[in-house]
Amino acid sequence: SAVISQKPSRDICQRGTSLTIQCQVDSQVTMMFWYRQQPGQSLTLIATANQGSEATYESGFVIDKFPISRPNLTFSTLTVSNMSPEDSSIYLCSVVGDPTEAFFGQGTRLTVV
Amino acid sequence: SQQGEEDPQALSIQEGENATMNCSYKTSINNLQWYRQNSGRGLVHLILIRSNEREKHSGRLRVTLDTSKKSSSLLITASRAADTASYFCATDATSGSRLTFGEGTQLTVNP
Repeated sequence: SAVISQKPSRDICQRGTSLTIQCQVDSQVTMMFWYRQQPGQSLTLIATANQGSEATYESGFVIDKFPISRPNLTFSTLTVSNMSPEDSSIYLCSVVGDPTEAFFGQGTRLTVV
Repeated sequence: SQQGEEDPQALSIQEGENATMNCSYKTSINNLQWYRQNSGRGLVHLILIRSNEREKHSGRLRVTLDTSKKSSSLLITASRAADTASYFCATDATSGSRLTFGEGTQLTVNP
């Protein structure tokens, strides 16, 4: 199993600003995943972050808007840049254990005003 | 990419009743999993069923998988008010690969 500490748990931000979300895992993992969950909807994968290489982004998501850092095997950050009200969502980080059970952070509830 | 669909989107039952949620997917899978989410928090893993399994039990949970119909169901027996949450199915094409989540079912169990 894995325990993920994600922060902040929630934030209210002004449009045009940026927010960085942090995830700390209690064990070393190769891949970390970042998801967005818009209000009342399911999870959509933003990107996969591997240590030592650039993140792999899903269709519809770009590095300029969602830069990701992965400095080591236990930590990652996701930045939501130049925010607009449409970015209001829950953002979740995740790792996958064995065989493919996923473990999630507590989520960051972002409101952009 | 495969996309999971779940029905119903919302389900409201009385405590003690059984709740059944269904999930369908479009492409071949390696595993199918069910997760629970309370009030927009992080998801919690409930149960995993492999593509070569047809049924699995865990406590009050029963999961079935029909790969010919590309569908799965989650049954929660003797529901409790604390079972109120959103339930998502998730599939992966190969072990350790990315998960694709269904649309989710919002379950409300009334005391």
